[in-house]
Amino acid sequence: QVTLRESGPAQVTPTQTLSLTCSFSGFSLNTGGMCVNWVRQSPERALEWLARIDWDNDKYYSVSLKTRLAISKDTSKNQVVLTMTDMDPVDTATYYCTSGYSYGPKYWGHGTLVTVSS
Amino acid sequence: LMLTQPHSVSASPGKTVTISCTRSGGSIASNYVQWFQQRPGSSPTTVIYEDNQRPSGVPDRISGSIDSSSNSASLTISGLQTEDEADYFCQSYDNSNRHWVFGGGTRLTVL
Repeated sequence: QVTLRESGPAQVTPTQTLSLTCSFSGFSLNTGGMCVNWVRQSPERALEWLARIDWDNDKYYSVSLKTRLAISKDTSKNQVVLTMTDMDPVDTATYYCTSGYSYGPKYWGHGTLVTVSS
Repeated sequence: LMLTQPHSVSASPGKTVTISCTRSGGSIASNYVQWFQQRPGSSPTTVIYEDNQRPSGVPDRISGSIDSSSNSASLTISGLQTEDEADYFCQSYDNSNRHWVFGGGTRLTVL
């Protein structure tokens, strides 16, 4: 059974760096073909893909956010970390990690709400 | 690549409803389409992957299809139940930049 759980601060101030951790079980990022993606959902419910990391450590980023994002994995801990710099109130959203396929998610975490406010 | 969904649909219990997802920029058949259900206060769950495949546990009254003539994908739910009331999102993959692209979501109301 695949489970994913996001963790991180519930609130950050503008210009701060956000760091989110996805802790997962039921699969290994050492296995060929596996990947973890991050997706966020705005308060207006729009879904936006952010980044992906593959089993072989290939990384892909949203073009619009590429300069602010970094994704990494720790396979020994079954964790993936997403950092986003220079946070702004428009980045207020629920952040989800997902696993599944390169073309789309199969499993979703419960999400973590991040509010950007001073 | 853009995916366009109706903002909302509604139907009565027991009826059948179809939610469309129209692709602009490329062929709908070029990349798999996935569908997600999101009930109020919950995270999305995948109800259709690879255009028409159901994950285990998803009832067979939920089905997906693609139509190249209209360049769209469809999610059909038959025998509507109150538990089907949720937001539904379609998603596909953009080969040019390896992005996931989501539709804007459709709110299904079961009257």
